[in-house]
Amino acid sequence: SQQGEEDPQALSIQEGENATMNCSYKTSINNLQWYRQNSGRGLVHLILIRSNEREKHSGRLRVTLDTSKKSSSLLITASRAADTASYFCATDPTQGGSEKLVFGKGTKLTVNP
Amino acid sequence: DADVTQTPRNRITKTGKRIMLECSQTKGHDRMYWYRQDPGLGLRLIYYSFDVKDINKGEISDGYSVSRQAQAKFSLSLESAIPNQTALYFCATSDAGPFTDTQYFGPGTRLTVL
Repeated sequence: SQQGEEDPQALSIQEGENATMNCSYKTSINNLQWYRQNSGRGLVHLILIRSNEREKHSGRLRVTLDTSKKSSSLLITASRAADTASYFCATDPTQGGSEKLVFGKGTKLTVNP
Repeated sequence: DADVTQTPRNRITKTGKRIMLECSQTKGHDRMYWYRQDPGLGLRLIYYSFDVKDINKGEISDGYSVSRQAQAKFSLSLESAIPNQTALYFCATSDAGPFTDTQYFGPGTRLTVL
């Protein structure tokens, strides 16, 4: 079953606006990662945040993690048409010791020029 | 990502045929994974391998088998393909460590089973 669930499922904004996507998960984690997928292509890693971190930045990306609420958010500032893609959160659960990621279903972001 | 390659990129086959999807990586990673992606369902793990002698079933291994021929090569086989195995298949790699860190994905194989 899915560990992470992204919200919203789809998001459409204008170029220059900010885009916020949320991810909720069910069990305790070692880390949470965000990936981007352009249509029909492989996933590309964006950012990783560890369970003892609360916020992380990378260029126009800002990720927050609230382990008490079991949730994370990805903010893309000053969006561009090239940001149009699907975004997935992936969690590394602590239980089971299996060291594998569990992916959510993704948020489809459309940035209109 | 050119460091992880998949062949073929597209394949159309018929029900009952045996199909092999191949994955090669030049990243020197020990860990390799096979996922399938269906519309609206995200990625689901089929099999994973942490080194040449280690093979593990994932969430949806029924109907699939794998072979880890070398550190750099991990193949996925469908012994007798069926239409509901039509999907986009991805191979991924990651470095070994105490936790699961960044995964690097291949470009995918689009498989259609008629």
